[in-house]
Amino acid sequence: LAKTTQPISMDSYEGQEVNITCSHNNIATNDYITWYQQFPSQGPRFIIQGYKTKVTNEVASLFIPADRKSSTLSLPRVSLSDTAVYYCLVAPWETGANNLFFGTGTRLTVIP
Amino acid sequence: NAGVTQTPKFRVLKTGQSMTLLCAQDMNHEYMYWYRQDPGMGLRLIHYSVGEGTTAKGEVPDGYNVSRLKKQNFLLGLESAAPSQTSVYFCASSYLASAAELSGNTIYFGEGSWLTVV
Repeated sequence: LAKTTQPISMDSYEGQEVNITCSHNNIATNDYITWYQQFPSQGPRFIIQGYKTKVTNEVASLFIPADRKSSTLSLPRVSLSDTAVYYCLVAPWETGANNLFFGTGTRLTVIP
Repeated sequence: NAGVTQTPKFRVLKTGQSMTLLCAQDMNHEYMYWYRQDPGMGLRLIHYSVGEGTTAKGEVPDGYNVSRLKKQNFLLGLESAAPSQTSVYFCASSYLASAAELSGNTIYFGEGSWLTVV
């Protein structure tokens, strides 16, 4: 299983764009990259998922370079409500989440 | 939509007592999981199930037992609670994505159960 490395914490002011980079040097050909968000006192929730290039949804964008050894979660114009822990996960499809390792994630604090 | 529902949300136990955490999902998911999360730590998988009638050990299974008698329910039991089991417990479920769908697994979590063992 590919291990991931991401910053322990980040601070940002409201209204700024936040980029959280995750490195996964040992990513395999059939691995997908998924990001989850966890608010205090809640369970994690799915944000975005991708395999290569760029993926965008109503919440975030995910940038994946050609070598796929890293990925960047981009949150546009963050607000106080984006304060949360963000987890980067890498795992193959056709597998259950028993193969997913959440780690400690990146704690994002948005400052007024 | 209910999604994943956990009960109880809060519980205080005395050392040595037993209890069961209940998890129910209404998404017809094959996979179900129990995680624990301790302060400053990530989620750690306790046990999981790949279908009705099946269970398997995760990363930290000691002191816990599980059962999946019905597809929609996954029960986590503590036979003799210890203070080290004070934690937040999350139940989750997922379906098994296939390569044809060109997507990986998406896990749906419950709201959590706060357990304190004194």
